[in-house]
Amino acid sequence: SAVISQKPSRDICQRGTSLTIQCQVDSQVTMMFWYRQQPGQSLTLIATANQGSEATYESGFVIDKFPISRPNLTFSTLTVSNMSPEDSSIYLCSVPGRGNTEAFFGQGTRLTVV
Amino acid sequence: AQSVTQLGSHVSVSEGALVLLRCNYSSSVPPYLFWYVQYPNQGLQLLLKYTSAATLVKGINGFEAEFKKSETSFHLTKPSAHMSDAAEYFCAVKAQGAQKLVFGQGTRLTINP
Repeated sequence: SAVISQKPSRDICQRGTSLTIQCQVDSQVTMMFWYRQQPGQSLTLIATANQGSEATYESGFVIDKFPISRPNLTFSTLTVSNMSPEDSSIYLCSVPGRGNTEAFFGQGTRLTVV
Repeated sequence: AQSVTQLGSHVSVSEGALVLLRCNYSSSVPPYLFWYVQYPNQGLQLLLKYTSAATLVKGINGFEAEFKKSETSFHLTKPSAHMSDAAEYFCAVKAQGAQKLVFGQGTRLTINP
């Protein structure tokens, strides 16, 4: 299984500011996924990040709000822009397993916007 | 399109009792199915997966799940609950060849001493 490190693990941010979350994987992967888990709810895919191309966003998520970078095959960042309290969630980075069956997850970034 | 329904947002069992967490899926093509566990303040950990091999799948920590195509179900069981099993459990589905996992709403498992 892949080892995925996310930074920061948690943060409390002021509304109107932006936070960039980093995801580092211990092996090269073609795709990386970013999920959001709102309080008490399940996981929702925000976007898929491929190296060398623009991220693909799911319905309801836009690049201006959640810009993503994918500079190489082991690293990605997700920025939560112009934050509001409604952005308070856990944000998780994920990569596919060998054979592209299961997915592995980082520990998540717990974001509170005040 | 795939979807997952977990019956019961909260399940409570006594220590040593059977754990049964229900998951039904909808998929237009043969799916891959997964159970993940999320302990407090942690990320998701894969418990087990079904990828069209044996229909009874054994996972970590004594959990197992059975794929029943006729019932479109993939229920998670453990014969004897332990206090350390208290967590949130998510069922997820992915169509073969697809990239995206679709998660159920989650079931919070509480273990009573």
